[in-house]
Amino acid sequence: SSDLTQGPAVSVALGQTVRITCQGDSLRRFYASWYQQKPGQAPLLVLFDKNRRPSGIPDRFSGSSSGNTSSLTITGAQAEDEADYYCNSQDSSGHHRMFGGGTTLTVI
Amino acid sequence: QVKLVESGGGVVQPGTSLRLSCAASGFTFSSYGMHWVRQPPGKGLEWVAVIWYDGSNQYYADSVKGRFTIFRDNANNTLYLQMNSLRAEDTAVYYCARDPYFDSSGPLDFWGQGSLVTVSS
Repeated sequence: SSDLTQGPAVSVALGQTVRITCQGDSLRRFYASWYQQKPGQAPLLVLFDKNRRPSGIPDRFSGSSSGNTSSLTITGAQAEDEADYYCNSQDSSGHHRMFGGGTTLTVI
Repeated sequence: QVKLVESGGGVVQPGTSLRLSCAASGFTFSSYGMHWVRQPPGKGLEWVAVIWYDGSNQYYADSVKGRFTIFRDNANNTLYLQMNSLRAEDTAVYYCARDPYFDSSGPLDFWGQGSLVTVSS
């Protein structure tokens, strides 16, 4: 399959927990990586290999995977987490990449 | 520190060519795969192409295959994207991004700030 599907938008109250999901057949075989993008900025890697965080990413960001769905969870969302979030994985060939359509997170 | 700086963007007419560059510093460039990713104004991210650490393999999105070429100069720590037969739908900010896995299947762990390409008559 050549598609990764994300919901377009989600909101969360300050300090609460929110989950952003990404669905696609390729996720049965490959892990997703997750990117945060704020307006006017380049994307920033926040999760990879299912549940690994790069240095400097707060531990309130976590990941999980089940079947054809990968999820990014923010536990105790902060105002600075408001951003667009994109998942990325390989396609069935293993050589090409694809991004989900992105999810806009609003912290209220 | 790791730094990726894109250059070469601009306004071009449909059907013409443009070459983007990505200057890398702060890491051993020849040990990393590299990707180009683009983002049309107001839209989401689209993966464009990847090249392995040693330049031995390149793969392209269907939307650019046959028109774009990714290549690298490891001696000068620079990644390139040669874009030919440009179309209006190629208008986007183009980012280069680093991939730490030997087969370029890893996360895109550092990104440049992007270079805007506008294709318009």
